[in-house]
Amino acid sequence: KAGVTQTPRYLIKTRGQQVTLSCSPISGHRSVSWYQQTPGQGLQFLFEYFSETQRNKGNFPGRFSGRQFSNSRSEMNVSTLELGDSALYLCASSLGGAENIQYFGAGTRLSVL
Amino acid sequence: QKEVEQDPGPLSVPEGAIVSLNCTYSNSAFQYFMWYRQYSRKGPELLMYTYSSGNKEDGRFTAQVDKSSKYISLFIRDSQPSDSATYLCAMCTGNQFYFGTGTSLTVIP
Repeated sequence: KAGVTQTPRYLIKTRGQQVTLSCSPISGHRSVSWYQQTPGQGLQFLFEYFSETQRNKGNFPGRFSGRQFSNSRSEMNVSTLELGDSALYLCASSLGGAENIQYFGAGTRLSVL
Repeated sequence: QKEVEQDPGPLSVPEGAIVSLNCTYSNSAFQYFMWYRQYSRKGPELLMYTYSSGNKEDGRFTAQVDKSSKYISLFIRDSQPSDSATYLCAMCTGNQFYFGTGTSLTVIP
């Protein structure tokens, strides 16, 4: 069974640009969560999508948005990039039900110059 | 108070040692308890998960949950240099997840 796939693996952008990251969950998983990971802050929860609906949201500005498609694949968009957005962005998928164990992808490393 | 507290370390041990990693939590509603291993510049990899209280063993790894003390542990026996990584604890209730900040472990050959 294929794991969680994130693309691209690396991105370099400049301030003010926007970026879209993609996540393909494990087959059968309906929940996709996004996290930002930085050395100083650890894993910070961005949002979770379940059956194409945002079910939970973390404490990030509106520049961070996401969506989920009918095949459970998800995208995350960051507009008007800032230097502080440089981080490893992780996607995790889960069944979304009672036994809601999350499995992570390898992440997308975003550098904002 | 944070939902999950984890000592960031770093922890350095000789090869073959028994390693104990711990987390405390405040929310008694947590039902699932997980341990992830994260190598440098990679995504977290699920090591083990436990439902409610008790122990679970998988090879050299043992996870323990003590709900009365709100305390979870991961023990690594006969530690190897390949165990050098950051270990994250995580807990969930329903669809709410909470992660520890991770403990950095180095196993010295």
